[in-house]
Amino acid sequence: QSALTQPASVSGSPGQSITISCTGTSSDIGGFNYVSWHQQHPGKAPKLMIFDVSHRPSGVSNRFSGSKSGNTASLTISGLQAEDEADYYCSSYTSSNTLVFGGGTKLTVL
Amino acid sequence: QLQLQESGPGQVKPSETLSLTCTVSGGPISTSSYYWGWIRQPPGKGLEWIGSIYYSGSTNYNPSFKSRVNISVDTSKNQFSLKLNSVTAADTAVYYCARQRFLEWFPGYWGQGTLVTVSS
Repeated sequence: QSALTQPASVSGSPGQSITISCTGTSSDIGGFNYVSWHQQHPGKAPKLMIFDVSHRPSGVSNRFSGSKSGNTASLTISGLQAEDEADYYCSSYTSSNTLVFGGGTKLTVL
Repeated sequence: QLQLQESGPGQVKPSETLSLTCTVSGGPISTSSYYWGWIRQPPGKGLEWIGSIYYSGSTNYNPSFKSRVNISVDTSKNQFSLKLNSVTAADTAVYYCARQRFLEWFPGYWGQGTLVTVSS
């Protein structure tokens, strides 16, 4: 199965907003509202930030939001903070009863 | 508080079988609400889903691994396990176990991960 497509890197200054895109197909992102986003700091396990396209788990800041249009999902982080600097991965359920991840995006807070 | 802990050898020889176990604490593995999955991350690279198992023993695998992977569950020990056959250096990675919600499949809880190096 092919990985979802994410930009390799994005950057922003503290206080700004950034958006990370995640592009798939009609067999994954476009076919289901089952997109999730995970944050990973160096040397740490990933942490769930968004599930079901736009839902935040308890304890995740409301500065993190998700959306989807067609075959592309997006993660927006508003009011950037230094601690947001990390790798971000999208994932989606697929029509083949599998899970597929994006290649990951490195967020740099300038 | 749910916790998942991977365990197993940190080094495996090429062509041999990689075996890992995930021990779940703080909640039962025999629940209809979740799948239990294995995900790996080669050094410096992205995440790759390997496969998942339901408490009943039903499995789903990434087609990329299907011919050499087996995931099993032991509900009496609250554990599930991964076996990956015929490993090569390309299988060197941090291996994570995770709990995935049944309907949407997203990994909501992750273990801390364990590095497995394939080397002679």
